[in-house]
Amino acid sequence: GESVGLHLPTLSVQEGDNSIINCAYSNSASDYFIWYKQESGKGPQFIIDIRSNMDKRQGQRVTVLLNKTVKHLSLQIAATQPGDSAVYFCAEIYDKVIFGPGTSLSVIP
Amino acid sequence: DAGVIQSPRHEVTEMGQEVTLRCKPISGHNSLFWYRQTMMRGLELLIYFNNNVPIDDSGMPEDRFSAKMPNASFSTLKIQPSEPRDSAVYFCASSLKALDDGYTFGSGTRLTVV
Repeated sequence: GESVGLHLPTLSVQEGDNSIINCAYSNSASDYFIWYKQESGKGPQFIIDIRSNMDKRQGQRVTVLLNKTVKHLSLQIAATQPGDSAVYFCAEIYDKVIFGPGTSLSVIP
Repeated sequence: DAGVIQSPRHEVTEMGQEVTLRCKPISGHNSLFWYRQTMMRGLELLIYFNNNVPIDDSGMPEDRFSAKMPNASFSTLKIQPSEPRDSAVYFCASSLKALDDGYTFGSGTRLTVV
């Protein structure tokens, strides 16, 4: 079996605080980006997307920021709730979709 | 819509056996993707179809893996013969457009090869 696994970055946040999850992407030609949330035992779930002609997009309690200069993407979650506890993946799309390794968000009640 | 439907949810098989994973995409979606998720490698794209035609199978690990999409509402991923290192969660996802739309993932099939 596998003895070494991905070491997921972990973020612990107090309930009610804001969370910021970061992602560095690899391809400067990527023109579409998506954040996904994966809860234990479930498939990834689409949260929000952004295209390369934008630097910010807001959804319900979530905001995605895109900095193309440094190839950086972030997901901000306002007023974090226990139900936000999950692994969050960024995905960059150019001629294929590449998922990042994920960040585990743990919300402390 | 019931979303992307995968079966079985769990599969335990012995090494050397054939395994077939099934997927029903969302009706009207033109693109279908098979992903594998492990702790070691994270989410890996195995293959994707556009309008039932395989477009990119560069992620298929080896000839033991094959995927088909005989019609717009059904796809299979087959492993023959299976090996313990194939143990993973296999996800199917679909979208309206392959590289320009968010995906909807199924709940996955957890495969254990002993």
